[in-house]
Amino acid sequence: AQSVAQPEDQVNVAEGNPLTVKCTYSVSGNPYLFWYVQYPNRGLQFLLKYITGDNLVKGSYGFEAEFNKSQTSFHLKKPSALVSDSALYFCAVRDGASNTGKLIFGQGTTLQVKP
Amino acid sequence: NAGVTQTPKFRILKIGQSMTLQCTQDMNHNYMYWYRQDPGMGLKLIYYSVGAGITDKGEVPNGYNVSRSTTEDFPLRLELAAPSQTSVYFCASRTSGQSYEQYFGPGTRLTVT
Repeated sequence: AQSVAQPEDQVNVAEGNPLTVKCTYSVSGNPYLFWYVQYPNRGLQFLLKYITGDNLVKGSYGFEAEFNKSQTSFHLKKPSALVSDSALYFCAVRDGASNTGKLIFGQGTTLQVKP
Repeated sequence: NAGVTQTPKFRILKIGQSMTLQCTQDMNHNYMYWYRQDPGMGLKLIYYSVGAGITDKGEVPNGYNVSRSTTEDFPLRLELAAPSQTSVYFCASRTSGQSYEQYFGPGTRLTVT
């Protein structure tokens, strides 16, 4: 079965420190991976994706993600966290069992950046 | 472009009532999706559509119905509302092709009491 796991319900970092939000996946075929961010009372916003190519993917707001095939991981990173990065982050994978582009989402990780 | 819009933003229903959640996109996207978001559970796919006139069930379709008469609109119908349908509902759309990223509306917060 295809799935996405975000092992941490919450990640706390101090402003200015690097941050990592973890994601692992299980999918048949080549993985198409995504990160989304959700601010309070808002819809999900697309941050970045990996489809093919370089393992380090750069996205919006200074975020990047590293694809690791051997570890089946796609961790989200940022070199220097901002208080405004505090939000709920979702990792997602395309459902490879269909051609409809359905996404399978992880349960989400709350990022708290403290001043 | 307004992107994906959803109405209403909030709604309280009594058990057994019905309602329609509206979703419209102005990006000419063929693919549209309805999700529900429950705390700590991520997003679960309710229904999706690959084009006007074509819909199919997702992971959690029971208690819901959809239609897609135009490219722009993808309403979600709740018949006989139940407390288990208390949730935040998101509509999303994407273009055809291999990019696959979906664009989300702002959501509808529904409470059934």
